Amino acid sequence: QLVESGGGLVPPGRSLRLSCVGTGFNFDDYDMLWVRQVPGKGLEWVSAITWNSGRITYADFVSGRFAISRDNTKNSLFLEMASLKPEDTAFYYCASSASDYFDLWGRGTLVTVSS
Amino acid sequence: QSPLTQPASVSGSPGQSITISCTATSSDIGDYSLVSWYQQHPGKAPKVIIYEANKRPSGISSRFSGSKSGNTATLAISGLQTEDEADYYCCSFGGTKVLFGGGTKLTVL
Repeated sequence: QLVESGGGLVPPGRSLRLSCVGTGFNFDDYDMLWVRQVPGKGLEWVSAITWNSGRITYADFVSGRFAISRDNTKNSLFLEMASLKPEDTAFYYCASSASDYFDLWGRGTLVTVSS
Repeated sequence: QSPLTQPASVSGSPGQSITISCTATSSDIGDYSLVSWYQQHPGKAPKVIIYEANKRPSGISSRFSGSKSGNTATLAISGLQTEDEADYYCCSFGGTKVLFGGGTKLTVL
């Protein structure tokens, strides 16, 4: 399973670090990604990282504000978010990528950006 | 505006069949055979139900099927059940980016 943590209420302009821990599978065999969802809205891809951190990609809206990373020794995925905006308010899910689809998802962590 | 267009809602009665389309509206979409579909119940995480346009992961009911023709992928659900009421999202790739459709709310009347 995948379990996210690190969400919470943060003022605009501040930073937040999300974590995702994977258990029950060979974490370092899988590419990983972050997907977010504004409550009541659709899914939106945020960022992805290959199994060995060799390739990292971001959605255009990230604009250099977020950084994805992983620590395979700790079966962990991270998302460092800086310069947060109210429109970043969403549930953030981590998911594993079997190859060209996403087979395991966490339950999400809610990030609320508000003063 | 997502380059993958889905109807906002569909509905059907128990036992009926429905389809949900997902049309790629951008030439940026790469190998559109790499379409996957996700089911999401309220308050729950998404779950993959179709991958590579027409393959079902282990444990997914055969009532769910997928197909693709040209730039349109289709999810079909036969023998509708009340537990099928959920949001459904298609997903594909545009270069290095992951793209989700806007989602379709399925109501089982």
